Amino acid sequence: DTEVTQTPKHLVMGMTNKKSLKCEQHMGHRAMYWYKQKAKKPPELMFVYSYEKLSINESVPSRFSPECPNSSLLNLHLHALQPEDSALYLCASSHIGGGYTFGSGTRLTVV
Amino acid sequence: QQQVKQSPQSLIVQKGGISIINCAYENTAFDYFPWYQQFPGKGPALLIAIRPDVSEKKEGRFTISFNKSAKQFSLHIMDSQPGDSATYFCAASFKAAGNKLTFGGGTRVLVKP
Repeated sequence: DTEVTQTPKHLVMGMTNKKSLKCEQHMGHRAMYWYKQKAKKPPELMFVYSYEKLSINESVPSRFSPECPNSSLLNLHLHALQPEDSALYLCASSHIGGGYTFGSGTRLTVV
Repeated sequence: QQQVKQSPQSLIVQKGGISIINCAYENTAFDYFPWYQQFPGKGPALLIAIRPDVSEKKEGRFTISFNKSAKQFSLHIMDSQPGDSATYFCAASFKAAGNKLTFGGGTRVLVKP
């Protein structure tokens, strides 16, 4: 298995909702990442997990809450988002020091 | 401060032509330089990558040229095909920064038949 699987592919949520994005990989990668991408822009790093521990938080607002339940799974919990948080949310994984494999992303719309 | 600068922002090339995208970096600690290809609605896919101890790497129609002294690297797409039409991102990372990838601004490539 050489894929990173993200669910759901599309999500529409209200500003008072709570939702979660899920990411799964079975490549034995011990680093996992959340990126946010706006249209016509490069991906921006949000969080890095290394060996299931949060190693980098790029000053992301607390309405985004990451979780790494085990070495194959990564979640991003969303609460009280703003319309400007609408974007493509990308999960990626890698061996430590290696190239990333990205998922296809979750297209999030906040209404 | 943007640490990886990419040019051009967009590129139109005829089928069979050569697409060239350039990137310049500032942080000499970077030790891994990948290129990603992204189609609309999809995540970026790793195309080819190079480390600074090598000046050139070729995989099929894709070649990275790396100039450590100038702190520049480039992607050449030979015999460009309409299916190569996509957005290309250069990036850089180093282990001490937790393998964090810093992306260039992206280049939208259109290959005309």
